[in-house]
Amino acid sequence: GQNIDQPTEMTATEGAIVQINCTYQTSGFNGLFWYQQHAGEAPTFLSYNVLDGLEEKGRFSSFLSRSKGYSYLLLKELQMKDSASYLCAVRDLGGAGNKLTFGGGTRVLVKP
Amino acid sequence: AAGVIQSPRHLIKEKRETATLKCYPIPRHDTVYWYQQGPGQDPQFLISFYEKMQSDKGSIPDRFSAQQFSDYHSELNMSSLELGDSALYFCASSLDWESSYNEQFFGPGTRLTVL
Repeated sequence: GQNIDQPTEMTATEGAIVQINCTYQTSGFNGLFWYQQHAGEAPTFLSYNVLDGLEEKGRFSSFLSRSKGYSYLLLKELQMKDSASYLCAVRDLGGAGNKLTFGGGTRVLVKP
Repeated sequence: AAGVIQSPRHLIKEKRETATLKCYPIPRHDTVYWYQQGPGQDPQFLISFYEKMQSDKGSIPDRFSAQQFSDYHSELNMSSLELGDSALYFCASSLDWESSYNEQFFGPGTRLTVL
């Protein structure tokens, strides 16, 4: 099975940087995804890591260390619209599918 | 670009009734996933299909069943509804589950309320 932990809530100021950590313990690992979800809406894909290292995508970057079971999502130049929940999700090879197991999500509140 | 379509967007049912949720994946996507998200919770995987065959099963109650049809759309059938079934139900689709990337694209969700 999968056990995924991330902080429940974070607050940051517009224009600042916030780092959301995610730790996981898995029986199988085939990649880690970060999704953004606004309340009542569908999760939208932000980033994907399967190898160790940093993936940069505009204002968002994600890092993975497989040996440590650790990832982080870095949000730079925060904007008010970045207020949302950020979900860390691990994909395993359980069964014959590629289901995602989500962490509890981190609610980020961006203040002016 | 075409996205995942789910219908209905909102559904209100009484306890012990049945409900059918539909999902139309992105064209050419061959894999469909169903997730359930309760209030304030993270999405929980229910079931997935690849090429019309069930590929994985998660925490789906026996009262629920699902299938993927020849046109790749999928339906989640829920019977003997309980109050605890009230949740957002997301469908996601991806292309070629054997690839190393296959990002899952989520639909807008169906909000089911059981009274």
